[in-house]
Amino acid sequence: EAGVAQSPRYKIIEKRQSVAFWCNPISGHATLYWYQQILGQGPKLLIQFQNNGVVDDSQLPKDRFSAERLKGVDSTLKIQPAKLEDSAVYLCASSLEQGALYEQYFGPGTRLTVT
Amino acid sequence: AQSVSQHNHHVILSEAASLELGCNYSYGGTVNLFWYVQYPGQHLQLLLKYFSGDPLVKGIKGFEAEFIKSKFSFNLRKPSVQWSDTAEYFCAVNADNQGGKLIFGQGTELSVKP
Repeated sequence: EAGVAQSPRYKIIEKRQSVAFWCNPISGHATLYWYQQILGQGPKLLIQFQNNGVVDDSQLPKDRFSAERLKGVDSTLKIQPAKLEDSAVYLCASSLEQGALYEQYFGPGTRLTVT
Repeated sequence: AQSVSQHNHHVILSEAASLELGCNYSYGGTVNLFWYVQYPGQHLQLLLKYFSGDPLVKGIKGFEAEFIKSKFSFNLRKPSVQWSDTAEYFCAVNADNQGGKLIFGQGTELSVKP
């Protein structure tokens, strides 16, 4: 089966610009996660969707980050405006359902560099 | 707030050496515990997991981990490493009241010399 797809794989932007990342989860997976992984750190959950509803966005910087999963399948994560500290790898993961019993499958990530 | 600490940032071993990577978490309730691995150029994948029962769990590629509740630890072990085990290893915790949310440690980079 196809894995989690993400695009673009790399993005370089200047601070104050905007950027969007796209994720296509594994077919049939109801739960979708976006993580931010800063160099030298582990992934940090930004937002979790169950179908097209938000389950947890407590760590999403809502003044500049937004995410949506309108049809309960693909998802986009947007940053506007970007800051230098947003440089990181943005990982998308999906699982069949929410809950720790359901394995999370990770995509290859999008490496963002903000200059 | 829950947190996960991995003691070693970078471990260098020779092939056939034994491996133990430390992981400690801070949470007083029930936890589910995971080790993920990221091989060079590949994405994160699950190595093993613990939910309940036997505190010694076995994963893929000969890895195992032991949950010691009294020490809030979930150390990863392998008796004999191979060059192909070179990767970054992440410990993660899920608290039973937070759906699928994973809290990751900072990772340990393992380099195995042939």
